[in-house]
Amino acid sequence: KNEVEQSPQNLTAQEGEFITINCSYSVGISALHWLQQHPGGGIVSLFMLSSGKKKHGRLIATINIQEKHSSLHITASHPRDSAVYICAVEDYGGSQGNLIFGKGTKLSVKP
Amino acid sequence: EPEVTQTPSHQVTQMGQEVILRCVPISNHLYFYWYRQILGQKVEFLVSFYNNEISEKSEIFDDQFSVERPDGSNFTLKIRSTKLEDSAMYFCASSEGFFDTEAFFGQGTRLTVV
Repeated sequence: KNEVEQSPQNLTAQEGEFITINCSYSVGISALHWLQQHPGGGIVSLFMLSSGKKKHGRLIATINIQEKHSSLHITASHPRDSAVYICAVEDYGGSQGNLIFGKGTKLSVKP
Repeated sequence: EPEVTQTPSHQVTQMGQEVILRCVPISNHLYFYWYRQILGQKVEFLVSFYNNEISEKSEIFDDQFSVERPDGSNFTLKIRSTKLEDSAMYFCASSEGFFDTEAFFGQGTRLTVV
């Protein structure tokens, strides 16, 4: 079974800083998801990746399949980016939706 | 923008009671999922559902749990006889397809068993 590790667990940044959150996993996957969990608890899907890089606004997600590693970058961070960022993977050969989640990275962006 | 809707947002129930958590997935989505997150812990997969049957379920999804799509719009999770350890945030999600499609999550239902 896949093990998903995220780092750092907690991250405090000043507004405007470039932020990187890392995710590593232990066995081959078919897809990796980055999710954002708001302070109220709701979850929003940010990206789904199986290779390469995706960009949406100030968010960039990359994945290196050989190294079993993904990063989520936030450029020009803003206090509204404060949330928990969760990495989740679908095991290769596993079914859609059977995600294995990391513990999350709690990001706090100070004005 | 279409969204997954869950009701209620918070439910308090007595231990041993049955609860039904309700979800309205996005209308053209075909795959439905339930996850749970015990306070302070990771999100965990419970079950996936397609074509009116369970596709896959986790070890957590024992005989106390059931899912149903009673009509064309709702997707429900029933816990037959709640235990204290069922207290958690329950998330419903849906996706359009099976491979390489994004899952959309609801806002969650916080279940408190007392």
